Amino acid sequence: GAGVSQSPSNKVTEKGKDVELRCDPISGHTALYWYRQSLGQGLEFLIYFQGNSAPDKSGLPSDRFSAERTGGSVSTLTIQRTQQEDSAVYLCASSLVVAADTQYFGPGTRLTVL
Amino acid sequence: GENVEQHPSTLSVQEGDSAVIKCTYSDSASNYFPWYKQELGKGPQLIIDIRSNVGEKKDQRIAVTLNKTAKHFSLHITETQPEDSAVYFCAASMIGDDMRFGAGTRLTVKP
Repeated sequence: GAGVSQSPSNKVTEKGKDVELRCDPISGHTALYWYRQSLGQGLEFLIYFQGNSAPDKSGLPSDRFSAERTGGSVSTLTIQRTQQEDSAVYLCASSLVVAADTQYFGPGTRLTVL
Repeated sequence: GENVEQHPSTLSVQEGDSAVIKCTYSDSASNYFPWYKQELGKGPQLIIDIRSNVGEKKDQRIAVTLNKTAKHFSLHITETQPEDSAVYFCAASMIGDDMRFGAGTRLTVKP
């Protein structure tokens, strides 16, 4: 079946612009996660959704970052007034149930802020 | 919250040798420990996982061991091949909490 998909695969933007990143989880998966991976670094947890609610937003780096999920499926991660330090690969993952379950990752969106 | 440490950060082995990557976790309530392999330009892919009711799990050339008392778990790759070269991440989670990842190990297998 189809895996997790993300769009766009690459995004180049100018400092100060807003960007939206999209994640389509595996059908039927109730949990959805966003991670950030800076060049050569590990995975940094940002936020996860259980259904449409986000019990843990502790990983969001600043109030410029927000995420929503509608219909228990697609999620968008929005970064407002982008900064150069926001440049990274943003990974989305989904799992059948929250935590203690296998997460399946999408290919990521590479964001470059000029 | 959970804190996961992973060692070494880089590992270079000769083809055919074994590779071992070790992780420690802080929260004794964690009960799920997956390992992910990330190749250049791709998202992490699950290669093996273990739950806290099991001490060891093996899948062909890959094995994972878990020591709950010491709160550490390890990935073992035997008969390494050049295509095993990648970054490997360990992770830990418990029910009702999000998954925490180690910083990653870059494995290079020299032909």
